[in-house]
Amino acid sequence: GQQLNQSPQSMFIQEGEDVSMNCTSSSIFNTWLWYKQDPGEGPVLLIALYKAGELTSNGRLTAQFGITRKDSFLNISASIPSDVGIYFCAGQPFYNQGGKLIFGQGTELSVKP
Amino acid sequence: DTEVTQTPKHLVMGMTNKKSLKCEQHMGHRAMYWYKQKAKKPPELMFVYSYEKLSINESVPSRFSPECPNSSLLNLHLHALQPEDSALYLCASSQQTGLYEQYFGPGTRLTVT
Repeated sequence: GQQLNQSPQSMFIQEGEDVSMNCTSSSIFNTWLWYKQDPGEGPVLLIALYKAGELTSNGRLTAQFGITRKDSFLNISASIPSDVGIYFCAGQPFYNQGGKLIFGQGTELSVKP
Repeated sequence: DTEVTQTPKHLVMGMTNKKSLKCEQHMGHRAMYWYKQKAKKPPELMFVYSYEKLSINESVPSRFSPECPNSSLLNLHLHALQPEDSALYLCASSQQTGLYEQYFGPGTRLTVT
């Protein structure tokens, strides 16, 4: 089935550093979503992107919908310990699959105080 | 308010038991979803309901039986589960199916003994 390639798989950074992660696809997507998941909890929506080239910020988080519609990145500036968790990208392909989201494999972020 | 609630938070059941998971949202969303998630893996779609009708069944075994009594409620009935069914079960909702962001509940941690 359709897959999203999310990288890196894991990151170990120092508090205060900036973080960047991305997702790529071999086909076009109409929507890109970024979620953060804490252990034992459900994913929390961070940013939703709907237009190619769109750049959206949410506090220290910035995400962009790639101009080719085949990729997206998420940046976190000045990381803090509570940024720890797994970040998932998710997208909806250009052909509507009835709301079915395609997920990346996740980026596990660890922040050292 | 983007809250999806799920009960119970934790559930332990034997392989011969019958139990139900419940999900509720009051955002007026008309699409609701059940996902299964293993540790550190992305959510896997199980079922999609659109306007209280089942629209997608991702070839889920019949021991999982979904039900949508009304536009705010979603149930997942469990019967004769296997130990490999132990996972985090997530409910999500969106305004409609299609190009809309999905909001997840906190999940039910299910252990089958």
